[in-house]
Amino acid sequence: QSALTQPPSASGSPGQSVTISCTGTNSDIGTFTHVSWYQQRPGKAPRLLIYEVNKRLSGVPDRFSGSKSGNTASLTVSGLQFEDEADYYCASYAGRNELGLLFGGGTTLTVL
Amino acid sequence: EVQVVQSGPEVKKPGESLKISCRGSGYNFTNYWIGWVRQKPGKGLEWMGVIYPGDSDTRYSPSFQGQVTISADKSINTAYLQWSSLKASDSAMYYCARHGGPYKWFDPWGQGCLVTVSA
Repeated sequence: QSALTQPPSASGSPGQSVTISCTGTNSDIGTFTHVSWYQQRPGKAPRLLIYEVNKRLSGVPDRFSGSKSGNTASLTVSGLQFEDEADYYCASYAGRNELGLLFGGGTTLTVL
Repeated sequence: EVQVVQSGPEVKKPGESLKISCRGSGYNFTNYWIGWVRQKPGKGLEWMGVIYPGDSDTRYSPSFQGQVTISADKSINTAYLQWSSLKASDSAMYYCARHGGPYKWFDPWGQGCLVTVSA
């Protein structure tokens, strides 16, 4: 089972909005709501931002939002701040228990 | 505070065995899955597998099945990841995290355990 597909990089200026996509198939993202998003700053462990497609973890700024359309999930960061510069990963149930969980390849967000 | 804390960095030689740990606290350890994730230097996250400490139900990624063993000791709120014969290609950061379900979200994450395998 291939990893989910994310763009390797994204960028924006402070105050702008950026959307990061995560493309799967109709066997995983297209069917199930087990989509989550993680932020990883350099040298740090990943941190959960969004779970079940669009639920924001308590304490996560409401500038972060998640959505899904068809086989593609998206993470939108509004009102970009320099502290948002990090790697972002999506994850989804693979659709069959024997395949488990899939991660995207990660997107490096640069705030210009 | 809910947290998971991992054991310290390890330096091993090829062919050696290793068992690293992950201790949960601040929640009912037996009621949540614990998962393991590998990250090689400069690379992305890879799901390795999960365990439910309540009954030791264990699931593995096809990529890691037979390569590692996941276990747990619920009496001390600790999960383990072990290798019987390490290879240089096992060098990586290994994270554990509490899992919302066998294939759901991870939160919180441990601080990571850096494993270096070198002759």
